[in-house]
Amino acid sequence: GAGVSQTPSNKVTEKGKYVELRCDPISGHTALYWYRQSLGQGPEFLIYFQGTGAADDSGLPNDRFFAVRPEGSVSTLKIQRTERGDSAVYLCASSFGQFPDTQYFGPGTRLTVL
Amino acid sequence: GESVGLHLPTLSVQEGDNSIINCAYSNSASDYFIWYKQESGKGPQFIIDIRSNMDKRQGQRVTVLLNKTVKHLSLQIAATQPGDSAVYFCAENYNAGNMLTFGGGTRLMVKP
Repeated sequence: GAGVSQTPSNKVTEKGKYVELRCDPISGHTALYWYRQSLGQGPEFLIYFQGTGAADDSGLPNDRFFAVRPEGSVSTLKIQRTERGDSAVYLCASSFGQFPDTQYFGPGTRLTVL
Repeated sequence: GESVGLHLPTLSVQEGDNSIINCAYSNSASDYFIWYKQESGKGPQFIIDIRSNMDKRQGQRVTVLLNKTVKHLSLQIAATQPGDSAVYFCAENYNAGNMLTFGGGTRLMVKP
């Protein structure tokens, strides 16, 4: 079946602008995760959804970052007033949400803030 | 695509040889571990996992070893192929939540 998909694959924006990144998880997966990966590093956790609710948002760096999953499927990561330090690859993963379980990742969105 | 491992430690092996990639994890409470493979411009791809009640698990051409005493994981790849060239990450999960904590990664380069 189809894997996790993310759009856009690349996003270039200017400092101070607002961006939205979309994740479409594997069908049937109740858990959805956002991670951020900087060059040369492993992914870092941002937020975890179980169904429609954010079960853990402890990884969001500040209040400029927000994510939603209104119908328990597609999720959108929103970044306000982007800064150059926000430039990274944003990865989405999904799973069945039962510990322990395997998280399957999408291809990521590469965000560049000029 | 974007390179994901410009400054990562590198393991260079000859095609056909066995590879061993090591990882030290941080949390003694972690009880689930995953190895991921990441090629340039792509997301991490699941390779193999292991629970903390096991010491060893084998897959197709891959074996994961877990040493909880020293908090160490290793990934062994048998008969390494050029298609195995990528960055490899270990990830740990502990019962406080379902998030994964990733290690720093190792770049594997396979010479034909």
